[in-house]
Amino acid sequence: GAGVSQSPSNKVTEKGKDVELRCDPISGHTALYWYRQSLGQGLEFLIYFQGNSAPDKSGLPSDRFSAERTGGSVSTLTIQRTQQEDSAVYLCASSPTGSIIQYFGAGTRLSVL
Amino acid sequence: GQQVMQIPQYQHVQEGEDFTTYCNSSTTLSNIQWYKQRPGGHPVFLIQLVKSGEVKKQKRLTFQFGEAKKNSSLHITATQTTDVGTYFCAGRNTGFQKLVFGTGTRLLVSP
Repeated sequence: GAGVSQSPSNKVTEKGKDVELRCDPISGHTALYWYRQSLGQGLEFLIYFQGNSAPDKSGLPSDRFSAERTGGSVSTLTIQRTQQEDSAVYLCASSPTGSIIQYFGAGTRLSVL
Repeated sequence: GQQVMQIPQYQHVQEGEDFTTYCNSSTTLSNIQWYKQRPGGHPVFLIQLVKSGEVKKQKRLTFQFGEAKKNSSLHITATQTTDVGTYFCAGRNTGFQKLVFGTGTRLLVSP
């Protein structure tokens, strides 16, 4: 597929458990973004990776949230000790070099019970 | 930090009516983009504006970038039910790479 791929599409977990969300950006895209979108709300920026530069983590809401990007491609967003307020759709987007047009994946819907 | 607000938050129109959403930034932008998110879907890029005062059209959609490059608008002429969704603007400060998304305007169109 040529688009941004996210997995799983849906994740149900119990409060206190850790979860990992995966994003496969479009091949060759150097920039990768994570957003959180609660039901009916806007896009909340979480973290931004650009090439080999240090990531912009300014949007991570707490130290329970972390993300990494291995080999400049796949990214994993980890939420530790999940809380009910973490329930949301987590969207990943990527951009090619020289462009800030963002191509979004379908998202992971996280439900914390 | 930079803030991007959109008004209205929500609008419900009858099919055939026009619709406009406004985007206002607290800082001057180097460019502005517009995205559409259908219900249950993900944001999809519509257009990018770069020049002060720029106007672009896509069929029934007209996009404008303000002269001061701090605001933008999206106007839809004669809405159709397929226009339903949330429209987001997104802007970037000069010198910064990160886009900041607006708060979004949700459009509902009744047949």
